[in-house]
Amino acid sequence: DQQVKQNSPSLSVQEGRISILNCDYTNSMFDYFLWYKKYPAEGPTFLISISSIKDKNEDGRFTVFLNKSAKHLSLHIVPSQPGDSAVYFCAASVPTQGGKLIFGQGTELSVKP
Amino acid sequence: ETGVTQSPTHLIKTRGQQVTLRCSSQSGHNTVSWYQQALGQGPQFIFQYYREEENGRGNFPPRFSGLQFPNYSSELNVNALELDDSALYLCASSSGTRTMNTEAFFGQGTRLTVV
Repeated sequence: DQQVKQNSPSLSVQEGRISILNCDYTNSMFDYFLWYKKYPAEGPTFLISISSIKDKNEDGRFTVFLNKSAKHLSLHIVPSQPGDSAVYFCAASVPTQGGKLIFGQGTELSVKP
Repeated sequence: ETGVTQSPTHLIKTRGQQVTLRCSSQSGHNTVSWYQQALGQGPQFIFQYYREEENGRGNFPPRFSGLQFPNYSSELNVNALELDDSALYLCASSSGTRTMNTEAFFGQGTRLTVV
């Protein structure tokens, strides 16, 4: 039972354009969502998060949008840079359960110069 | 730099053997979680330790066990290794209470290969 899904295994974007990574979830108990970036041979790096009481959170080039009614969130990267090329994981947690994270399968983003 | 360090970085074991993986938490963090990441998949939650006590467990058999020490470092032990245990094992540390935690910061992982 995959409670967090990233349906696009890969995404290719031109440098300078917008990258949009999508994530769907099924468990309405989730109330905190995170995005992690992972380079090969490294652990996931925390990127940005959003609480379920918000619908948008922005940090520099990264913005996360949350649509609770659709159980959908997305990560926007504007403008995309070649250094953004990595695997991006969406994760959800129920903080009252100790912050255990449920991850999606990941989307590999390739930003081409 | 996250401050979470794992050892060893790579390991090859034979089926049936036992393995211990180690994790040093980021300074000030009292919670450690372990995840297994199979190839092409997202990390899967194994278990979490808060102040030396297990605080939640994922869908993994009892041969996966752990410890957290007073300095909040941690070990993951796997007995009777199976081929399917081959994966990247990730340790993550965070701070908070038994029920509420900050964002988790991950180590670089240990790549375990079972042959």
